[in-house]
Amino acid sequence: NAGVMQNPRHLVRRRGQEARLRCSPMKGHSHVYWYRQLPEEGLKFMVYLQKENIIDESGMPKERFSAEFPKEGPSILRIQQVVRGDSAAYFCASSPGLLSSYEQYFGPGTRLTVT
Amino acid sequence: DQQVKQNSPSLSVQEGRISILNCDYTNSMFDYFLWYKKYPAEGPTFLISISSIKDKNEDGRFTVFLNKSAKHLSLHIVPSQPGDSAVYFCAAESNTGNQFYFGTGTSLTVIP
Repeated sequence: NAGVMQNPRHLVRRRGQEARLRCSPMKGHSHVYWYRQLPEEGLKFMVYLQKENIIDESGMPKERFSAEFPKEGPSILRIQQVVRGDSAAYFCASSPGLLSSYEQYFGPGTRLTVT
Repeated sequence: DQQVKQNSPSLSVQEGRISILNCDYTNSMFDYFLWYKKYPAEGPTFLISISSIKDKNEDGRFTVFLNKSAKHLSLHIVPSQPGDSAVYFCAAESNTGNQFYFGTGTSLTVIP
């Protein structure tokens, strides 16, 4: 299955710890998007990255959150000093390129629980 | 600020009948609209889309209608099947940005 892969699928962290969420895009896709789904809400855009570049991070909280998409390896969404309000499902999507940003394929998500 | 709204959190339909899911948006800069289907514990799956230059797009049992003047779109599923039971998200993209704006979803249950 060459779909978008996310790991871990479930992540439990205590308040103050760091959470690292990984996303491997579909083969041939160089664009990655991160979304967060809070309970009872739709998906909210967080950040859009190309390899080694952040294109749009307008949806990212200003503190504690960061994202990267290195030349080699998966995209990482990093949350430092997690708080209970960070508990959510985090979805990654990938697309082939800028002109194909309409075609976003989603991974299965990582469910983060902060205790 | 919820720019894409799905005001019906849930919908139940008898198998074989038509399912109509509605979506409203507020931003006139949106020029591309999509519907995603989501099963529990899975990521959203693309279903159908429509560009703002069209008012209708059809793909098998799925048809999306766009009414730009009313800033409203709808997804019709005919005939509905039990396997269609899922959460349906409406999404919109602006011609000035890279991000999708999602509605809060409508949970469709098709009753056999």
